[in-house]
Amino acid sequence: AQSVTQPDIHITVSEGASLELRCNYSYGATPYLFWYVQSPGQGLQLLLKYFSGDTLVQGIKGFEAEFKRSQSSFNLRKPSVHWSDAAEYFCAVGAGGTSYGKLTFGQGTILTVHP
Amino acid sequence: DSGVTQTPKHLITATGQRVTLRCSPRSGDLSVYWYQQSLDQGLQFLIQYYNGEERAKGNILERFSAQQFPDLHSELNLSSLELGDSALYFCASSVTSGGGNEQFFGPGTRLTVL
Repeated sequence: AQSVTQPDIHITVSEGASLELRCNYSYGATPYLFWYVQSPGQGLQLLLKYFSGDTLVQGIKGFEAEFKRSQSSFNLRKPSVHWSDAAEYFCAVGAGGTSYGKLTFGQGTILTVHP
Repeated sequence: DSGVTQTPKHLITATGQRVTLRCSPRSGDLSVYWYQQSLDQGLQFLIQYYNGEERAKGNILERFSAQQFPDLHSELNLSSLELGDSALYFCASSVTSGGGNEQFFGPGTRLTVL
């Protein structure tokens, strides 16, 4: 069965600083990987996804993530954080081939941004 | 706005009661997913429907059931409610059924069981 680990429950950064959120996954085949963001009281919004090909993927809001098969990781990065990036971030792995699809989420990382 | 709508936004009810949560997928999406988000369990997949057929089941209790109707909207029925069922319930939709599909999430229904 697939699983996702986000080692950091809470991260605090200063506005303008760089950011890296860690994600490790466990899955038997080539995974479909996603990063979602959830603002307080809101649903989840997709930041970016990895299916195959280039291991560095670009997403919305200036985020990027790098797939490293050897480390089973899919870390999310942003070079300069804005106060509006404060939210909870979820890494997820999609499983099921073509017949079904379910997302398995990590526990989430809460990002606090100091002015 | 993801295009996925969920009603109601909030629901407060008592233990032992039954409630129905409703979801309308994005136009053109055939797959609907239900997820539960709680403080102790995190985000958990419950069930998936594709064009009216059940495709996958996750950690869904026997007291819970779902269906997808011909117009593709879906309902999640929760019965014999317990305090521990209090959670945020999300519906998501995608174009097709596979694991690589981008899932678009609705705003959620917050259920409080008193």
